[in-house]
Amino acid sequence: AQSVTQPDIHITVSEGASLELRCNYSYGATPYLFWYVQSPGQGLQLLLKYFSGDTLVQGIKGFEAEFKRSQSSFNLRKPSVHWSDAAEYFCAVVADTGRRALTFGSGTRLQVQP
Amino acid sequence: GAGVSQSPRYKVAKRGQDVALRCDPISGHVSLFWYQQALGQGPEFLTYFQNEAQLDKSGLPSDRFFAERPEGSVSTLKIQRTQQEDSAVYLCASSSRSLGGLNTEAFFGQGTRLTVV
Repeated sequence: AQSVTQPDIHITVSEGASLELRCNYSYGATPYLFWYVQSPGQGLQLLLKYFSGDTLVQGIKGFEAEFKRSQSSFNLRKPSVHWSDAAEYFCAVVADTGRRALTFGSGTRLQVQP
Repeated sequence: GAGVSQSPRYKVAKRGQDVALRCDPISGHVSLFWYQQALGQGPEFLTYFQNEAQLDKSGLPSDRFFAERPEGSVSTLKIQRTQQEDSAVYLCASSSRSLGGLNTEAFFGQGTRLTVV
């Protein structure tokens, strides 16, 4: 069965600093990978997704993520964090056969200090 | 509508009470998903519809949970005889492609927060 691990429950960064959120997945075949952001009281918003091709994908709000098959990772990065980036971030994976539902990690809460 | 709409936003139920949670997907979206998000956790899949057909209900935790989408648009998640462990945020998502549309974005509603007391 596929699974997603987000090792960091909570991260605090200063505004303007760079950010990297870690995500590791467990799945035998090529995964389809996603990053979502959830602000308080809001639904999940898709930041970016990886299906195939270039392993560095660009998303909205200045985010990017890199797929590394050898490390089973799909880490999310942003060069300069803004206060409005404070939210919960979820990595997710979906199988390429059968079930189409997303399997989510447990999330990383990002706090941004002024 | 402009987005996925869920109602009510908040629901407090007494243990043993039945509840019904509603999801209005984006107009024309074929696929609809329900997820359960416990406090401090990521969402967990409950069930999937393609139009009116419930193609996957493997995530429903017990036979107290029931979902329907009779006309292929609005969906209702019903929980019978609620228990405290049912307390969670229930999220609905829709997408425009069939079979979940791997190449299309799933749009999520704001969720219904259910508290069972």
